[in-house]
Amino acid sequence: EVQLVESGGDLVQPGGSLRLSCAVSGFSVSNNYMSWVRQAPGKGLEWVSALYGGGNTYYRDSVKGRFTISRDNSMNTLYLQMNSLGADDTAVYFCARALYDTSGYYYDYWGQGTLVTVSS
Amino acid sequence: EIVMTQSPATLSVSPGGRVTLSCRASQSISRNLAWYQQMPGQAPRLLIYGASTRAAAIPDRFTGSGSGTEFALTITSLQSEDSAVFYCQHYSEWPQTFGQGTKVEIK
Repeated sequence: EVQLVESGGDLVQPGGSLRLSCAVSGFSVSNNYMSWVRQAPGKGLEWVSALYGGGNTYYRDSVKGRFTISRDNSMNTLYLQMNSLGADDTAVYFCARALYDTSGYYYDYWGQGTLVTVSS
Repeated sequence: EIVMTQSPATLSVSPGGRVTLSCRASQSISRNLAWYQQMPGQAPRLLIYGASTRAAAIPDRFTGSGSGTEFALTITSLQSEDSAVFYCQHYSEWPQTFGQGTKVEIK
């Protein structure tokens, strides 16, 4: 059975840092394309970052230089290191596995999400 | 980036009914479109990819159609458990973007 379990969400002050984890079972993160997608309270979905199986990383412009996606193959876990957090980063963060189709990736497995609240 | 616009914002329908949700892309995305269902407090669930291919275990009450810039998701024989927000997502280029969602309410 495939499971993705996020953790690490918390209340953090503006300018602070947080590391999110996504523990995966049922497939290997090392040879799958993985992403973080976030959802601000009451809002829609927004892609944040991606990590290819080969190790290439991608970020949306608003988090470039502040967020770092990585993985630990031995732990089969995906991470998102978030620095210099601002109020606009407040959201539920989902990790998801992506599958390639023609020109890009859609998401077939999702975790339940972890809430990040940036507030003083 | 490509903007995805969904309409209407909210739909209210009776059990057993049929609804069609619209998703429009600001430029052609061929058939690089997925649909997701998100129930309150839950993660999104993949329904459709490639504009019209149902994901595993998705019943044939859910049908995706369209190409280019105009897409639709049709749900028939609506049931109470279909109450959710439905999102479209393009994956034609970076960055992938989602529509703002259509909320389906079952009366």
